[in-house]
Amino acid sequence: DGGITQSPKYLFRKEGQNVTLSCEQNLNHDAMYWYRQDPGQGLRLIYYSQIVNDFQKGDIAEGYSVSREKKESFPLTVTSAQKNPTAFYLCASSIDLLGTGGRNIQYFGAGTRLSVL
Amino acid sequence: EDKVVQSPLSLVVHEGDTVTLNCSYEVTNFRSLLWYKQEKKAPTFLFMLTSSGIEKKSGRLSSILDKKELFSILNITATQTGDSAVYLCAVGGTSYGKLTFGQGTILTVHP
Repeated sequence: DGGITQSPKYLFRKEGQNVTLSCEQNLNHDAMYWYRQDPGQGLRLIYYSQIVNDFQKGDIAEGYSVSREKKESFPLTVTSAQKNPTAFYLCASSIDLLGTGGRNIQYFGAGTRLSVL
Repeated sequence: EDKVVQSPLSLVVHEGDTVTLNCSYEVTNFRSLLWYKQEKKAPTFLFMLTSSGIEKKSGRLSSILDKKELFSILNITATQTGDSAVYLCAVGGTSYGKLTFGQGTILTVHP
C-alpha cells in the first residue's frame, strides 16, 4: 500500500526542547517537502529535497532543520530556536522537482500536530 | 513574491446546492495550478490545470483555468455532506516545482 507516513500524529514540545517529526514514503519519489499549516494562512514551505543528501530552505526555514540520508525518509527537527512551533506539519513528495515539463503533483501525508506545553 | 488568493474563505450550503470556489494568482513563470481537498488531515489531489479554457471534470467536480485573467474556479454540483472540507488552490511557478498555496476555502454542506 503506497503512500506517505507521518509520525507521530500528535506531539508536545517543552520549552527549550528539540523535537523530530518523521516522514517516510514508499512511492519511490525523489523529491520531498515539509510544509507548515496555520489557520487562515494556507501551507508554507519549510524545506525541500530533490535528492539524497541534498536539501534547500523554503520560505520559513528558520528554527527548523532536516536531513535526507535515505530516499524514503525526510525527518524534520523543530529546534528550540523556533519560538512559535504550534502548527500542523505536512510532509509531501513528488516524482521529482520538475515533474513532467515542470508540472509537479505533490502527494501529502496525514500530518503531525505539534503543540507547546 | 508569488501570491495565491482564494475566495470565499468559508461557505455554508445545503445538500444539492451548486458551489463555485475561486482562486486568483500572481506567480512568476506560471507552470500549473492544482486543486486539493483536505477533509481531516492529508490534502488529496483533485486536478492539475496547465492550459487556459480546458475544463477538467471528475464526477460532480469540475475546474477551469483562465491564464489571461490569472484565475481558476472549482465547481461542485449537487453537493453532498461528504464534500465538506477545506479546498486548497496551489500554483507552481518556479523552475524547481515549488507550490504556492492559497489560504483555502472551508466548505460546509448541511443535510
